[in-house]
Amino acid sequence: AQSVSQHNHHVILSEAASLELGCNYSYGGTVNLFWYVQYPGQHLQLLLKYFSGDPLVKGIKGFEAEFIKSKFSFNLRKPSVQWSDTAEYFCAVLGGGAQKLVFGQGTRLTINP
Amino acid sequence: GAVVSQHPSRVICKSGTSVKIECRSLDFQATTMFWYRQFPKQSLMLMATSNEGSKATYEQGVEKDKFLINHASLTLSTLTVTSAHPEDSSFYICSARLPGLITAGYTFGSGTRLTVV
Repeated sequence: AQSVSQHNHHVILSEAASLELGCNYSYGGTVNLFWYVQYPGQHLQLLLKYFSGDPLVKGIKGFEAEFIKSKFSFNLRKPSVQWSDTAEYFCAVLGGGAQKLVFGQGTRLTINP
Repeated sequence: GAVVSQHPSRVICKSGTSVKIECRSLDFQATTMFWYRQFPKQSLMLMATSNEGSKATYEQGVEKDKFLINHASLTLSTLTVTSAHPEDSSFYICSARLPGLITAGYTFGSGTRLTVV
């Protein structure tokens, strides 16, 4: 069964700092990868997704993620964070023809103004 | 875009009672919906996959008789927490696959905060 691991549980940054959140998955076959964001009190929103093609995926709000198959990774990046990026971020994987998403533990991001 | 509406957003119930949570797909038909549970500061744990017109598929460790799932129509799935206890207090989220190709992805409800007292 596939699994997802997010190494950073809580990340604290200042505004304008660069961000990289780690995500590793375990599944040997073809995978589809997602990053979701959950702002305080709100529902999950899709930031970006990878299905095939260019491994560098650009999402909303200036986020991007790179799929590195050899490292089983799909790290999320943003060159300059804003206070409004404070939220919980979840990496998720869909693999092997399964319909269900498997989520990582989540990373809480706090941006100090 | 395709939206999933989840109600209620918050519910407080007494121990031993049952609570029903509804998840409706607006503007699209959802043959498959998913129910997740999220503990504070933790990830979403898949509880079950709800299939329209058939029995739900439960994940290992999830009590079928406690968490009853009904997906009687293409736009509505319900989760009933039966004989709720304080340990069932949690945040429950439904999700639906968007129609079309798998690349269409998923959409999520806004969640239900259940507190059992």
